[in-house]
Amino acid sequence: EAGVAQSPRYKIIEKRQSVAFWCNPISGHATLYWYQQILGQGPKLLIQFQNNGVVDDSQLPKDRFSAERLKGVDSTLKIQPAKLEDSAVYLCASSWSDRGNYGYTFGSGTRLTVV
Amino acid sequence: QQQVKQSPQSLIVQKGGISIINCAYENTAFDYFPWYQQFPGKGPALLIAIRPDVSEKKEGRFTISFNKSAKQFSLHIMDSQPGDSATYFCAAPQTSGSRLTFGEGTQLTVNP
Repeated sequence: EAGVAQSPRYKIIEKRQSVAFWCNPISGHATLYWYQQILGQGPKLLIQFQNNGVVDDSQLPKDRFSAERLKGVDSTLKIQPAKLEDSAVYLCASSWSDRGNYGYTFGSGTRLTVV
Repeated sequence: QQQVKQSPQSLIVQKGGISIINCAYENTAFDYFPWYQQFPGKGPALLIAIRPDVSEKKEGRFTISFNKSAKQFSLHIMDSQPGDSATYFCAAPQTSGSRLTFGEGTQLTVNP
């Protein structure tokens, strides 16, 4: 079974620029999550999708962050404009069901550095 | 909103020793309480998980102990090996849905 694919692996941008991250979940996984992991901290949920609908985006800073999941498969997360405090690893995870968290699989993440 | 407190922040253990990491949560939810293992440059990977109606689960050298009344659960790594050196995260489910709230992590170092 192929894992959760994310790209790019690394990105360095200047503050106020925009950036986008891409995620391809495990085939057949209906639920997709984006987490932000700041260095030395645990992952924090940004947004959860069920198929192509948003289930929870209460922790997403909507003034600068946006996410979409077209056709219920791939997803993109965008930051515009970026701030220094957005420097973090952005992790995508997927699971086959929204009724339980067992089988949550993470990708390797995109490390964003804002300078 | 689920809150999760994990301790210790860092742990150094000799090879062959027992590593113990603790986690406390606030809200009870009937879903799995997992532990994740993360190596540098990788995403967290599921290590072991327990349902809240079970008090203990063992998989090889890894054991979860769950105390529902105290709202605590812990990870025990027996016969710790240098290859176990990683950051470990506990996670607790939200009261509804499949979302997980993670602890702040424990950096484990196993000395040879």
